Amino acid sequence: DTGVSQDPRHKITKRGQNVTFRCDPISEHNRLYWYRQTLGQGPEFLTYFQNEAQLEKSRLLSDRFSAERPKGSFSTLEIQRTEQGDSAMYLCASSRGQGEQETQYFGPGTRLLVL
Amino acid sequence: SQKIEQNSEALNIQEGKTATLTCNYTNYSPAYLQWYRQDPGRGPVFLLLIRENEKEKRKERLKVTFDTTLKQSLFHITASQPADSATYLCALDRTNTGFQKLVFGTGTRLLVSP
Repeated sequence: DTGVSQDPRHKITKRGQNVTFRCDPISEHNRLYWYRQTLGQGPEFLTYFQNEAQLEKSRLLSDRFSAERPKGSFSTLEIQRTEQGDSAMYLCASSRGQGEQETQYFGPGTRLLVL
Repeated sequence: SQKIEQNSEALNIQEGKTATLTCNYTNYSPAYLQWYRQDPGRGPVFLLLIRENEKEKRKERLKVTFDTTLKQSLFHITASQPADSATYLCALDRTNTGFQKLVFGTGTRLLVSP
């Protein structure tokens, strides 16, 4: 257990529905990252927060995706009008924010299946 | 385009042997490289970071080398154990923006049999 938690761990939804995932980082970490991982692939960067500010978004993050970190603590990732191609593991990671060469601590992920 | 390549085929070895995993990259000039372990259904766990000016880094039974000329990193597990069975991912930082924008390889699955 790295100290990063994600909820839910699994989500099955029908195409077209909206889903929201939550990430609780390690409490003193001010940097938070979201990744997506599909079967047989490594995690792909989606977005990054420094405290409550979303400072970087990948082109993978279409306009159906939105992420927030309202008080600089927990974060949510929402997918609107889900598509089958959104089926993946969504991983959250946090770090202390002391420079580039720092350790990211990953949560257990939320596995999404879109039927 | 930028690529990170890891052997997609699983590596099967016997307990006690040394496992060697390879990470090759193209069109990058990373300042450092990281290795992670990922178990099924779990998030990656950080293992080691090696900087461009370091040839080798060790941590207990783990050893990582980094050859910026060959654009390659090797990850070794000595005296391997069945508990070492997992997928191992290498990752590079893609930007110099002051935060880690990690790009991961596809990972190599290691299976250590008793």
